[in-house]
Amino acid sequence: DAGVTQSPTHLIKTRGQHVTLRCSPISGHKSVSWYQQVLGQGPQFIFQYYEKEERGRGNFPDRFSARQFPNYSSELNVNALLLGDSALYLCASSFVQGALEQYFGPGTRLTVT
Amino acid sequence: ELKVEQNPLFLSMQEGKNYTIYCNYSTTSDRLYWYRQDPGKSLESLFVLLSNGAVKQEGRLMASLDTKARLSTLHITAAVHDLSATYFCAASSLNAGNMLTFGGGTRLMVKP
Repeated sequence: DAGVTQSPTHLIKTRGQHVTLRCSPISGHKSVSWYQQVLGQGPQFIFQYYEKEERGRGNFPDRFSARQFPNYSSELNVNALLLGDSALYLCASSFVQGALEQYFGPGTRLTVT
Repeated sequence: ELKVEQNPLFLSMQEGKNYTIYCNYSTTSDRLYWYRQDPGKSLESLFVLLSNGAVKQEGRLMASLDTKARLSTLHITAAVHDLSATYFCAASSLNAGNMLTFGGGTRLMVKP
């Protein structure tokens, strides 16, 4: 079975632009969480979605938004990019919200110049 | 607000030596996770600890949990170069939907 997939792998954007990152969970998993990992730091929780509804939000500005689709895939959108948004964005999927195991995808490396 | 602290932040050790990484968390937590991350890669799950006194071992790594002290440890026995990586602990609560709060990581370098 395929694991969690994320696209794109890498991308470079300019300050002020908008970006969309995509995540496909493991087949059968209904919950997706997004984390931001700035270089040299631990990941920080951004959003959690379960059954297409937002179930949790971390301490991130409104420039960050997300949604989950009927097939349980998810998008993370970031508007008005800042240099500080440069990071590895990780998606994690789990069978249900609160499931013991979360499986992380390979991540999307975003560089903002 | 749940906070997680790890120490040390950086650890350089000789092959064959033993060492321990410490992870403290600030409030009651149901679950304690340990992950490994290689440079430029994603997170690999190592252990999940659920109860006070829980101990899990895999190869040269052993993790334990003391919920009363709000402390987890990751013990490395007879380190080998292949263990060089960054190790993260993360705590969560089922009441909070198992959203993970990570520590800052411990970068481990094992020298031959």
